[in-house]
Amino acid sequence: AQSVTQPDIHITVSEGASLELRCNYSYGATPYLFWYVQSPGQGLQLLLKYFSGDTLVQGIKGFEAEFKRSQSSFNLRKPSVHWSDAAEYFCAVAFTGTASKLTFGTGTRLQVTL
Amino acid sequence: ETGVTQSPTHLIKTRGQQVTLRCSSQSGHNTVSWYQQALGQGPQFIFQYYREEENGRGNFPPRFSGLQFPNYSSELNVNALELDDSALYLCASSFGLAGVREQFFGPGTRLTVL
Repeated sequence: AQSVTQPDIHITVSEGASLELRCNYSYGATPYLFWYVQSPGQGLQLLLKYFSGDTLVQGIKGFEAEFKRSQSSFNLRKPSVHWSDAAEYFCAVAFTGTASKLTFGTGTRLQVTL
Repeated sequence: ETGVTQSPTHLIKTRGQQVTLRCSSQSGHNTVSWYQQALGQGPQFIFQYYREEENGRGNFPPRFSGLQFPNYSSELNVNALELDDSALYLCASSFGLAGVREQFFGPGTRLTVL
């Protein structure tokens, strides 16, 4: 069965510092990959997605992610974090033939210090 | 364009009771998926409805059931509530089933089972 691993439960960065959140998936086929953000008490907002093509994808709010097939990874990056980026971040994967079912990682909570 | 809405926002039930959660899909969307997000966890896929038919189910017992109506809104019903059913229930809507479609999430319903 497919699985998604986000090895960092909690990350703290200073405002203005760069950020990288890790995501690894386990499955034989090439997945469709997503990053979502969830603020406290809110639903999930899509930051970016990778379906095919260029392995470096740009998203909203200045985020980007790079798909590395050889490492089964889809890490999320931002060059300069803002205090408003503090939230929970979820990596998710989906595969054709599974009814667009998303499999999520356990999330990484980002704290931003001023 | 109206986004995905869910009702109620919060709900408290006691063990053994039954609950119905509601979701209105985004305008133009005909597919609704339901997810359960336990505290500190990523969302887990419950099931998906497409054009009023169940189209895929996750690893949830039959006491979790659903409906989709002709206007594509949806209900999630949970019978014989257990303490472990306490979670945030998220609804997501999308259009069609071909390939993998971007899903738009509602704010969720917070269910507490006492």
